[in-house]
Amino acid sequence: QSVLTQPPSVSAAPGQKVTISCSGSSSNIGNNYVSWFQQLPGTAPKLLIYDNDKRPSGIPDRFSGSKSGTSATLGITGLQTGDEADYYCGTWDSSLSAVVFGGGTKLTVL
Amino acid sequence: EVQLVESGGGLVQTGGSLRLSCTASGFTFSSYALSWVRQAPGKGLEWVSVIIGSGGSTYYADSVKGRFTISRDNSKNTLYLQMNSLRAEDTAVYYCAKDQTFGIVRGSFEYWGQGTLVTVSS
Repeated sequence: QSVLTQPPSVSAAPGQKVTISCSGSSSNIGNNYVSWFQQLPGTAPKLLIYDNDKRPSGIPDRFSGSKSGTSATLGITGLQTGDEADYYCGTWDSSLSAVVFGGGTKLTVL
Repeated sequence: EVQLVESGGGLVQTGGSLRLSCTASGFTFSSYALSWVRQAPGKGLEWVSVIIGSGGSTYYADSVKGRFTISRDNSKNTLYLQMNSLRAEDTAVYYCAKDQTFGIVRGSFEYWGQGTLVTVSS
């Protein structure tokens, strides 16, 4: 049981847009910055979004992040087959004194 | 170029011990918090432990508290994870990861190693 809650799977057609939600509480998302990671099969995770809505250099602007209250959302526009991956949200939990992740969301581009 | 290279994984018996290492390069090692994150086969990411840049503070997931010890040698640019009393459920790929933000822990891991597999079996 993950501290952060994500949908197990989402799907959309190539070229379309998809959003992935991440729900937490005041001790984690509500009062700390959220990051999003992409993990392609057989590879290490890759940072997509940090500080709720910032993109590291090299990450295309098709990827966006937002936060409201105790929830965060990752948006991906112009879906490509290469976007098929597992996506994780993560943040610091001030009550647990721990980094917490969501359970992960598998994106399928139909 | 930032690089993180883990080593030390392998097959160990239940109840045994193993020490993982992560050698870093390409950044000011002592200025950044470093974490261990693991992933059991077919499962999601699980954060294990973090140590701040000076080594003065450490934090652990409840699942490993009292069994695992994180440490770092800033003179060698190396992060360690001493794992004792290993259980089958500790079987996973273990990644070391560098926090993006200078000096603090946010879980915004901008760099990851390639991972090292730890298999605990009876």
